[in-house]
Amino acid sequence: GQNIDQPTEMTATEGAIVQINCTYQTSGFNGLFWYQQHAGEAPTFLSYNVLDGLEEKGRFSSFLSRSKGYSYLLLKELQMKDSASYLCAVGGSNYQLIWGAGTKLIIKP
Amino acid sequence: DGGITQSPKYLFRKEGQNVTLSCEQNLNHDAMYWYRQDPGQGLRLIYYSQIVNDFQKGDIAEGYSVSREKKESFPLTVTSAQKNPTAFYLCASATETSTDTQYFGPGTRLTVL
Repeated sequence: GQNIDQPTEMTATEGAIVQINCTYQTSGFNGLFWYQQHAGEAPTFLSYNVLDGLEEKGRFSSFLSRSKGYSYLLLKELQMKDSASYLCAVGGSNYQLIWGAGTKLIIKP
Repeated sequence: DGGITQSPKYLFRKEGQNVTLSCEQNLNHDAMYWYRQDPGQGLRLIYYSQIVNDFQKGDIAEGYSVSREKKESFPLTVTSAQKNPTAFYLCASATETSTDTQYFGPGTRLTVL
């Protein structure tokens, strides 16, 4: 079967660094996406990885290891507005994305 | 401004009634998707469409129907056959393939009383 695992909830302190992990088992791989979703709102695109390695985009970075079926999203210099759910999704072989349940990130002052 | 719109933001219906959720995009995207989101669960695909006049069932299509008569529009009907319709419904679009980023509309929260 196809499966994506992420921690349900994480807590971090404002100004700190947090790493959100995602492991996947899918039939077919067409890249891995990270989205941010604030409560009651739609997901917004953060990053896309299709090759192994680290992609950096400002305070956010995303890493992929295809051989390990593993990705992480790294958030630096955390701000209160980063409190949200972070969704990991894998592009499958049939024009569909397979979604994880999301990680709720709580930022404390 | 380019984007995806969904209306209404909140919708209340009585049990047994069909209801249609609107999704319009002006991004010139070929692919459009409907997802359902329930608390504590990932997005689940209801239907998707790669081109006009063609659409495919997703993982949870039972009790739902769609049409794709225009490139810009992909309405979703929640029928009375859907056993638990109360949820947050999200529409998305992408250029073509599964490697392309999906962009989401603001969502419609449907509550069936």
